[in-house]
Amino acid sequence: KNEVEQSPQNLTAQEGEFITINCSYSVGISALHWLQQHPGGGIVSLFMLSSGKKKHGRLIATINIQEKHSSLHITASHPRDSAVYICAVSPLLIHYGGSQGNLIFGKGTKLSVKP
Amino acid sequence: DGGITQSPKYLFRKEGQNVTLSCEQNLNHDAMYWYRQDPGQGLRLIYYSQIVNDFQKGDIAEGYSVSREKKESFPLTVTSAQKNPTAFYLCASSIIGGSGANVLTFGAGSRLTVL
Repeated sequence: KNEVEQSPQNLTAQEGEFITINCSYSVGISALHWLQQHPGGGIVSLFMLSSGKKKHGRLIATINIQEKHSSLHITASHPRDSAVYICAVSPLLIHYGGSQGNLIFGKGTKLSVKP
Repeated sequence: DGGITQSPKYLFRKEGQNVTLSCEQNLNHDAMYWYRQDPGQGLRLIYYSQIVNDFQKGDIAEGYSVSREKKESFPLTVTSAQKNPTAFYLCASSIIGGSGANVLTFGAGSRLTVL
């Protein structure tokens, strides 16, 4: 079983729709990350959160630590939002050791927003 | 602008050849990482380094080697011992210590194809 599961794997939306991508994890974490990978391959960090909710423009990320679940929402979606969205967690060092930057990654959700 | 530069962006290799992927950062980050990305899979850690002249194996280090002679540089060599080297390789960096240690900055990636 993967330690970080994302759903859906693929998502197609019409421009303007509200989009939700889900992430569930099974390990103790110090933080959860949402990343965006564009077709060219480069990855950018969207959010890092350990509790509650964060908002940046049309993007909102929430996390429920008790339920080990996070969601990424995109309001008023646009074709330029088309990308792969990756959920990753920073596991607690007592369990995994190693560098604080060692993340466990989900497989990603491929989003396509049609005009 | 500060960032991470990976080169080459595309690389073709014949079986039995070693190849080296370059990763340079001007962010003054102490920690650097190499990840491998395959279709339908999450990123997997190959090697990481937290200090010059020291590095640690990640989850899939077999068939790879690295060096960290300078803080800014963390090249990855894909050796002929790597059985399935065709993949997308991503370099990343982060600070060490504090909440920012969990935030990775990624390069644009290098796509290696073995012919």
